[in-house]
Amino acid sequence: QVQLVQSGAEVKKPGSSVKVSCKSSGGTFRHYVFFWVRQAPGQGLEWMGAIIPIFNTPNYAQKFQGRVTITADESTSTVHMELSSLTSEDTAVYYCARGLPPLDWGQGTLVTVSS
Amino acid sequence: DIQMTQSPSTLSASVGDRVTITCRASQSISSWLAWYQQKPGKAPNLLIYKASSLETGVPSRFSGSGSGTQFTLTISSLQPDDFATYYCHHYNSYPYTFGQGTKLEIK
Repeated sequence: QVQLVQSGAEVKKPGSSVKVSCKSSGGTFRHYVFFWVRQAPGQGLEWMGAIIPIFNTPNYAQKFQGRVTITADESTSTVHMELSSLTSEDTAVYYCARGLPPLDWGQGTLVTVSS
Repeated sequence: DIQMTQSPSTLSASVGDRVTITCRASQSISSWLAWYQQKPGKAPNLLIYKASSLETGVPSRFSGSGSGTQFTLTISSLQPDDFATYYCHHYNSYPYTFGQGTKLEIK
């Protein structure tokens, strides 16, 4: 059974960083493409970046270049997304997803940035 | 970056109606387009991939068409469960992007 389970909700201060995890089960972890997509309250879906573990070379949306880091840990079948220099504009639900196009999605992780 | 433009942004319709949502890409994406349905508080659900292929388990009242820069999602006969927000999504080349969404409301 394919499943993506994300880490829990986070509350962060402006200027800090957050790291969200996504554990994958089912299928061959290293061959899939994993994405991170976020959704601000009441807004649409925003593509942040992607990684294929076997190549381990992430691709990022220009908007997040320099601020986001996506990594894959084959030993634990887990993908991580770290976003730095947080502002209130980064308050959103962050989703990991798998497949091309993404078929399997995590449950979402709410990140709240507030002083 | 390839921009995806959906229309309309909001659509009011009744159960049983046939509805069409349009997505336009700023440059050709061949058929590398997917459609998603999203309900409040839930992750998106894949409906259509490669512009016109129906994902397993998705009702046949959903269909997709188009290639290049113009795409459509059609729901042949709206059911109560279909009232949701729909997004197009290209996966032709990085960075992949989403349309801004179309909210389908009950008239």
